[in-house]
Amino acid sequence: EIVLTQSPATLSLSPGERATLSCGASQYISKYLAWYQQKPGQAPRLLIYDASNRATGIPARFSGSGSGTDFTLTISSLEPEDFAIYYCQQRSKWPLTFGQGTRLEIK
Amino acid sequence: QLQLQESGPGLVKPSETLSLSCIVSGDSITSGDYYWGWIRQPPGKGLEWIGHFYYGGSTDYNPSLKGRVTISVDTSKNQFSLNLNSVTAADSAIYYCVRHWQSVDPWGQGTLVTVSS
Repeated sequence: EIVLTQSPATLSLSPGERATLSCGASQYISKYLAWYQQKPGQAPRLLIYDASNRATGIPARFSGSGSGTDFTLTISSLEPEDFAIYYCQQRSKWPLTFGQGTRLEIK
Repeated sequence: QLQLQESGPGLVKPSETLSLSCIVSGDSITSGDYYWGWIRQPPGKGLEWIGHFYYGGSTDYNPSLKGRVTISVDTSKNQFSLNLNSVTAADSAIYYCVRHWQSVDPWGQGTLVTVSS
């Protein structure tokens, strides 16, 4: 099973700041990584697929990068609604797996 | 607009079988364009794939569930179902039905299942 390790576990920032979230894979997964945002009481929402492609309707302040084993989600300037939990997920090999999540909280 | 809606009991006794259904509207599960499956999330914890199927192709289950899980399809109702047997408290979670290919999108709203006597 491919293990995804997200860091940091918690990130405390202020609105307007830049957020950088990391996801590392235990094996090579090419570009096959997605990012999701989850708010309390809601299902996760797709942000980025195949490492760098924004999903439909996702603001341009969200961007993804990386390939192989190291990936990054960047939020260029945080809006109040961006404070949530973020998960990465790989589709390179079954079973598909998720990272443990990064909690982005207001400082 | 594609929608997935889970349904089933919110409370299951230990050692019994958890059974959920997912009704799909706005797309056909027989189209062969996507995988359809289940993901779960224990309250306050992370996400775990349970299994998925590709109509006309294979069905895959997470080995972590050790043969306890079955996904079945009812094409006449455009729905698919999850059966998880011999449940314990560790199976208490929000269960989501999903569609995926390059990514999981969309997700159902999720249904909370608690395993307790």
